[in-house]
This record gives sequence, structure tokens and C-alpha cells, in this order.
Amino acid sequence: AQKITQTQPGMFVQEKEAVTLDCTYDTSDPSYGLFWYKQPSSGEMIFLIYQGSYDQQNATEGRYSLNFQKARKSANLVISASQLGDSAMYFCAMRVMDSNYQLIWGAGTKLIIKP
Amino acid sequence: ETGVTQSPTHLIKTRGQQVTLRCSSQSGHNTVSWYQQALGQGPQFIFQYYREEENGRGNFPPRFSGLQFPNYSSELNVNALELDDSALYLCASSLSPSGTGGILNTEAFFGQGTRLTVV
Repeated sequence: AQKITQTQPGMFVQEKEAVTLDCTYDTSDPSYGLFWYKQPSSGEMIFLIYQGSYDQQNATEGRYSLNFQKARKSANLVISASQLGDSAMYFCAMRVMDSNYQLIWGAGTKLIIKP
Repeated sequence: ETGVTQSPTHLIKTRGQQVTLRCSSQSGHNTVSWYQQALGQGPQFIFQYYREEENGRGNFPPRFSGLQFPNYSSELNVNALELDDSALYLCASSLSPSGTGGILNTEAFFGQGTRLTVV
């Protein structure tokens, strides 16, 4: 069965510091995609970054980077130089071919940036 | 903004009633999926429609049903509402390559959600 695990229910980080949000995944399918989304209190899911299972390099998008360790089945999100506006819920999600391309989600991490 | 619009944004229903939630997809997108997000949890997949046909369904009972229209907008219908149906309902639209119904790196664009409260 496919599963996403986010073990950090909440995190407090000082503004301008880097933060790492943990995500581990479980699937037996060799082809999968990993996503990170941000959900502010308004509710909308905002796409941050994508990593494919066959990608050789770690994905980066501006201040966001994904630390992809395939052997450990982890896909941690790194946010550099955190900002107050980064305070939100963060979700790791996975898509595999076996599951009709649905997104399988973790429970999320609530990130609070302190000024 | 993603261009995906959901209506209404909030509503309150009584147990046993029926509800219809609506989603207007981003222009040009042919795939829509619906998710239920209970308070404090990650979203759960309800179903997905590709070119007006359901092509995937999660572990939800038949009283959860949907439609996708020729303009690719979509509805989620829930009959015989239960208290546990109280949640944020998210609609996501995406563009799937012809004949596939989706690929791994398809980015899903989400609406702001409909918060349903069943009392």
C-alpha cells in the first residue's frame, strides 16, 4: 500500500533561518512522483515543488529545495531564509500509476515562523 | 490565484440532507479530482473525472457521486449527510495528456475549498 508519513505535527522557526520538513513515503511502484504543497489558513493548496522517482538531481524552486534520498524513501522539503509568510500547513504528497494518479497525502506539518 | 473556483465557500447542512458542491476548472484543463480534508488531517481522494468520465475512486461510499460537464466544470454530490462528512472539500484541476487521464508529474491546481459543516 502507498503511504506518506510526516512525523512533525508542528515546528517553530526563527525568521531568516532555514527549515527542513520531513517526509517519508512507502510504495512498491518504481515510478512515482513526490509533491510538496503549502496550505495557508485560507484553505487553498499551493504547489511548491515536484520530484520524480527517476530524477537524478534534487529539485529546486527558488527558496524551496527537495532533499530526495531514494534508498531511504525520504523527500524532505528545505526552505531557505524563512519568511513570516511561510507560516502555513505543509503537505507532502505522492502520485503513483497504480492508484489512478490520485495524490496520496501525509498528515501535514504546521510551520510557524517567529519574527 | 490558480483559476480554479469552488462554490459555495461555506455551508451548513443538517444530517440526512443532500448537498451539491461546484468546481470551475482552470481554463483548458480536462481532469478534475475531489478531495475531502477533515480538520487537522491531510486530504483524502474521493474521485477523479477525465473528459466527463470517472477514472478513479477512493474509499468513499456510493452516496458520494460526481459529474464532469463538457466545459470540464464539475459537481460533487453527497446524499444522506452524516456528521463525519463535515470537512473541507477541495477540487483540483489538471491537464492530462490525451488518452492518459494523468501522468506522474501532472501538477494539480486547487481551488480554495468548500467548508461543509453537518449538524
